Amino acid sequence: AQSVTQLDSQVPVFEEAPVELRCNYSSSVSVYLFWYVQYPNQGLQLLLKYLSGSTLVKGINGFEAEFNKSQTSFHLRKPSVHISDTAEYFCAVTPSGSARQLTFGSGTQLTVLP
Amino acid sequence: NAGVTQTPKFRILKIGQSMTLQCTQDMNHNYMYWYRQDPGMGLKLIYYSVGAGITDKGEVPNGYNVSRSTTEDFPLRLELAAPSQTSVYFCASRRDDETQYFGPGTRLLVL
Repeated sequence: AQSVTQLDSQVPVFEEAPVELRCNYSSSVSVYLFWYVQYPNQGLQLLLKYLSGSTLVKGINGFEAEFNKSQTSFHLRKPSVHISDTAEYFCAVTPSGSARQLTFGSGTQLTVLP
Repeated sequence: NAGVTQTPKFRILKIGQSMTLQCTQDMNHNYMYWYRQDPGMGLKLIYYSVGAGITDKGEVPNGYNVSRSTTEDFPLRLELAAPSQTSVYFCASRRDDETQYFGPGTRLLVL
């Protein structure tokens, strides 16, 4: 079984500052990793994903994440945030050889302050 | 493309009532999923389907049933609503590149 831990439930940050949202996972098999964003009263939207290859992956809206197998982490970063980045961010994992059921972390609320 | 659509958007049920949450996707995806999201929590998988006629339980299937008679539709049935089923329900379908597309959700309140 897989599990995902998002270490910060809330992250307040000022506009144009950098941000890092932390995600650690646990799995006994190879996994695919994802970050999804949820804006208020909406469904989830894929930000980026790691399937294989380069451990640094770039996503939409200027976000990037780095897969670190030895530390079982997949932290999300953005060098300069905007007010519009205020949302809930979810890290998720799925075994690479399965029907791709996602296991989600509990989420990190990013609030960008003016 | 409408993507993944869900109906209704909101529903209030009394304890013991039943209802069906509808989910339709127009992307011809084989894999479809139902999740529930409780306040302050991540999403938990209820049921999933790998194609028409094939369904399987997820992490929290108790109190729910599903069917998949066509590629497009994946309805979720609540037979005897309980307050513990108050939640936001999301349907999703998966593309071959592992991207899951989510519907806008159904907010359910059981009183």
